[in-house]
Amino acid sequence: ETGVTQSPTHLIKTRGQQVTLRCSSQSGHNTVSWYQQALGQGPQFIFQYYREEENGRGNFPPRFSGLQFPNYSSELNVNALELDDSALYLCASSSGTVGPFEQYFGPGTRLTVT
Amino acid sequence: QKEVEQDPGPLSVPEGAIVSLNCTYSNSAFQYFMWYRQYSRKGPELLMYTYSSGNKEDGRFTAQVDKSSKYISLFIRDSQPSDSATYLCAMSLYNNNDMRFGAGTRLTVKP
Repeated sequence: ETGVTQSPTHLIKTRGQQVTLRCSSQSGHNTVSWYQQALGQGPQFIFQYYREEENGRGNFPPRFSGLQFPNYSSELNVNALELDDSALYLCASSSGTVGPFEQYFGPGTRLTVT
Repeated sequence: QKEVEQDPGPLSVPEGAIVSLNCTYSNSAFQYFMWYRQYSRKGPELLMYTYSSGNKEDGRFTAQVDKSSKYISLFIRDSQPSDSATYLCAMSLYNNNDMRFGAGTRLTVKP
């Protein structure tokens, strides 16, 4: 059984650019959630995908968008990057959307916007 | 006021000490309460979760929830250097798509 993987590990972008982050969910999991973790802060929920459909969204602007593919892997896209988008982006996979909250997190992608 | 408040620490204790980590929250509707551990350069991993009020024990870890005070705690007994990490509390209304995390407390257990 493989765990949650994310790519790339690190990324440096310039303000105004666009970025795509990728996540492969754990085997057997059909739900992927994305979080933004700023330095010294807890993760903030961006959105969740369940069986290829968006299933809940946090307080993030529309320039944050995502996709989930038939194999349940997922992408997070961020357009018009701002300096404040610099953070660790985490994805978490689970089998379903309701308890017992057995979400498995990937190691994250560290995004730096200059 | 943040929905979930957590003392950021850092907290440094000697090996074998009992550690108490705490969070307060403002939304009385929260029903599920979780504790995650995050090692440096890793994603969070779920330690324990509790539904509603009460205590839950798992090995050296005990989670307590006091909904009347809107206060949750994680106790670590016989702390080990391998427990050195950032501990995040999280809470949810119903599902895992509405979780709110605290800012995390950084713990160091010294040999």
